[in-house]
Amino acid sequence: DVKVTQSSRYLVKRTGEKVFLECVQDMDHENMFWYRQDPGLGLRLIYFSYDVKMKEKGDIPEGYSVSREKKERFSLILESASTNQTSMYLCASSLRIRVGGMNTEAFFGQGTRLTVV
Amino acid sequence: DAKTTQPTSMDCAEGRAANLPCNHSTISGNEYVYWYRQIHSQGPQYIIHGLKNNETNEMASLIITEDRKSSTLILPHATLRDTAVYYCIVRPSNTGKLIFGQGTTLQVKP
Repeated sequence: DVKVTQSSRYLVKRTGEKVFLECVQDMDHENMFWYRQDPGLGLRLIYFSYDVKMKEKGDIPEGYSVSREKKERFSLILESASTNQTSMYLCASSLRIRVGGMNTEAFFGQGTRLTVV
Repeated sequence: DAKTTQPTSMDCAEGRAANLPCNHSTISGNEYVYWYRQIHSQGPQYIIHGLKNNETNEMASLIITEDRKSSTLILPHATLRDTAVYYCIVRPSNTGKLIFGQGTTLQVKP
């Protein structure tokens, strides 16, 4: 059974703390994604990685960084957490797009609900 | 990246077909149309995708217009468990980047 695992389901951190959100996938996928989801705003892409050590900014990268040292693990880092980063964070992975339209559906983790106080 | 436009919400009677429209008028030739749905408190789930031909699987059918500027997701016999937010996404074939829009909240009613 395919699996994307996020390290924590719920997390409470203080303003100014450095926060690490971890995501691990066991499907040998090249692509990995970090999103945040807020009421009324849908899912917004923070960062995208298409290979080890490769990353690309999404729509809202400010205040975040990422690390992809191994293929199976993609970490989201909040350098100095702020209250406006309180949100649900979702990680996903997929195969790299193949020519011919082969299905490269993305699989999502269950999410981490982060509260910054 | 091409953007999509979907109605904010729709209702459907249980057992009837649910037809969810999506406008993607700026889609380019190498971009696929993907549909996902998100049931409350869960991560999004893949439904179906297509390039220019209509597609069908065990969950749904995808109808793409000839000019590819719009598409419709069809759930042939909606059940209460199909109540969810449905996202239409245009995905570049060269990067695999997945950008979600606001989605359509489908409420299936008894």
